[in-house]
Amino acid sequence: AQTVTQSQPEMSVQEAETVTLSCTYDTSESDYYLFWYKQPPSRQMILVIRQEAYKQQNATENRFSVNFQKAAKSFSLKISDSQLGDAAMYFCAYRSVYSGTYKYIFGTGTRLKVLA
Amino acid sequence: NAGVTQTPKFQVLKTGQSMTLQCAQDMNHEYMSWYRQDPGMGLRLIHYSVGAGITDQGEVPNGYNVSRSTTEDFPLRLLSAAPSQTSVYFCASSLGASSGNTIYFGEGSWLTVV
Repeated sequence: AQTVTQSQPEMSVQEAETVTLSCTYDTSESDYYLFWYKQPPSRQMILVIRQEAYKQQNATENRFSVNFQKAAKSFSLKISDSQLGDAAMYFCAYRSVYSGTYKYIFGTGTRLKVLA
Repeated sequence: NAGVTQTPKFQVLKTGQSMTLQCAQDMNHEYMSWYRQDPGMGLRLIHYSVGAGITDQGEVPNGYNVSRSTTEDFPLRLLSAAPSQTSVYFCASSLGASSGNTIYFGEGSWLTVV
């Protein structure tokens, strides 16, 4: 069975600085998708970025980028120029290409605090 | 754009009561699912549906029933609420396997069982 591990329960970053959130996963599959979701205090789940395992190029979305290391099974999220609005819980998630698009495996989350 | 709509947003139940969490999506998505989120844990899959009339169990199905009579609606029923079912519940929908693999979540339903 696949697992997703986020070993940092909480992180802090100064406004305008850069922070990296860690995620490791375990799978025997060669093709899959990885995601980062943001959950602000409103609790809504917001997709931040996604990565297809077959793509070697790291995904980027504005200030958000990932460092995808397939062999190491590592998928970290880098937030550049941190803003107060980035404060939230961040969840790393895995989805197999062999299962339906409903079946996500989530990590336990990292709470990001942004300090003014 | 409504997206995925969940009702109610907040609910307090007494142990043993029953209730239904409603979920509706207006994106004509084939797949719908229910997750629960507990403190210190990620979201866990309760039940899912791959189309009208088809449902199946996820990781934590005990104590919950679902049905899918239409493409748009996927209600989650608690037959006899227990304190262990105190949680935040998320409904989600997505296109089928040929989609871009994006799942859309509702805004969550806070359920407290006392």
